[in-house]
Amino acid sequence: EVQLVESGGGLVQPGGSLRLSCAVSGFTFGSYNMNWVRQAPGKGLEWVSYITSGGSPIYYADSVKGRFTISRDNAKNSLSLQMNSLRVEDTAVYYCARDLLATSGFDAWGQGVLVTVSS
Amino acid sequence: SYVLTQPPSVSVAPGRTARISCGGNDIGGKSVHWYQRKPGQAPVLVISYDSDRPSGIPERFSGSNSGNTATLTISRVEAGDEADYYCQVWDRLTDLQVIFGGGTKLTVL
Repeated sequence: EVQLVESGGGLVQPGGSLRLSCAVSGFTFGSYNMNWVRQAPGKGLEWVSYITSGGSPIYYADSVKGRFTISRDNAKNSLSLQMNSLRVEDTAVYYCARDLLATSGFDAWGQGVLVTVSS
Repeated sequence: SYVLTQPPSVSVAPGRTARISCGGNDIGGKSVHWYQRKPGQAPVLVISYDSDRPSGIPERFSGSNSGNTATLTISRVEAGDEADYYCQVWDRLTDLQVIFGGGTKLTVL
């Protein structure tokens, strides 16, 4: 069974940092590109970042560029998102999601983890 | 950046057909993917590459894409289809970007 499980969310003050993780199982992690997608309260889905199966290239949404860093460890079947200089508007449920090709849909998602940025 | 426009809401009676549009400049030249998101659940891919149904998705779900509009069609709508639906494309104008539409709330009357 394909599983993606996010962790690391929580409450953080503006300007703070948080590191999200996504542990996967049930498929060959190193064969898939991975993404982070978020959904702010009452808002729609917003793509955050993408990393290829081999770890490069990497792309970010303009809203997080320079503040967030995506990485992966294929040996540990793990995806990470380091979030620095967090803003109130980064408050959202964050999902990790896989895609097979850089044109395909996201065919498996985690259940999401809540990040709340508030003073 | 590329923009996808969806109607905020669509309402349909059970057993009827729901059509959800996704507008974008020459979207027919791109591959469109559709997701269903129910409250408290992760999104589910229901249509990929304009009209392909992933394994496990009912045949009632179909898609089309031409010109400036892509459409998700749900036939014989059931109460369980009530959800938010999002279209998505990949855009490569400069860097690679993933674009989601704003989402459409499907209400089953």
